[in-house]
Amino acid sequence: EAGVAQSPRYKIIEKRQSVAFWCNPISGHATLYWYQQILGQGPKLLIQFQNNGVVDDSQLPKDRFSAERLKGVDSTLKIQPAKLEDSAVYLCASSSLVGTGQSSGYTFGSGTRLTVV
Amino acid sequence: GQQLNQSPQSMFIQEGEDVSMNCTSSSIFNTWLWYKQDPGEGPVLLIALYKAGELTSNGRLTAQFGITRKDSFLNISASIPSDVGIYFCAGRGGTASKLTFGTGTRLQVTL
Repeated sequence: EAGVAQSPRYKIIEKRQSVAFWCNPISGHATLYWYQQILGQGPKLLIQFQNNGVVDDSQLPKDRFSAERLKGVDSTLKIQPAKLEDSAVYLCASSSLVGTGQSSGYTFGSGTRLTVV
Repeated sequence: GQQLNQSPQSMFIQEGEDVSMNCTSSSIFNTWLWYKQDPGEGPVLLIALYKAGELTSNGRLTAQFGITRKDSFLNISASIPSDVGIYFCAGRGGTASKLTFGTGTRLQVTL
């Protein structure tokens, strides 16, 4: 099966500019996640979607970050305006989790590496 | 947000040696997962554990779900150069599906 697709792979912007990332999950996966991975750290959840609804956005800096998954498939993550500390890899993942049943875990995309200068 | 503590932070070993790393949490988890991340790529799932005390193998990899449900261990036997990368543990608790990731263990294998 095709994996999780993300674009662009790399992005360099100046602080205070805006940027958007795109994710196409594995076909049929209802749950989509955006993670932020700062260099030298593990991924940190920003937002979780179940179909086109938000399940958890408690760690999303809502003053500058926004995300949407309008048709329950593709998703975009936007940062406006960007700060230097937003430099990180933004990972999208999807899963077919249903309730609390066993799962093989997420499938991650290759990520978008953002550098804010 | 919470992150799990992994140790060691980094390891330098010779090819053929065995490796052990662990992950601890202040919270109980119902599922433990181990991922490997290569440079420029997203994490790839290695092993998933679903019950306290469970011991699961995947080739040269063996992982255990701690009895207290607050820790997990990963062992790699007879390491090879392609084992190089960063290993992350991740935990999932309750009915939530989100994963909390560890701080990572960077593994270097020398010939």
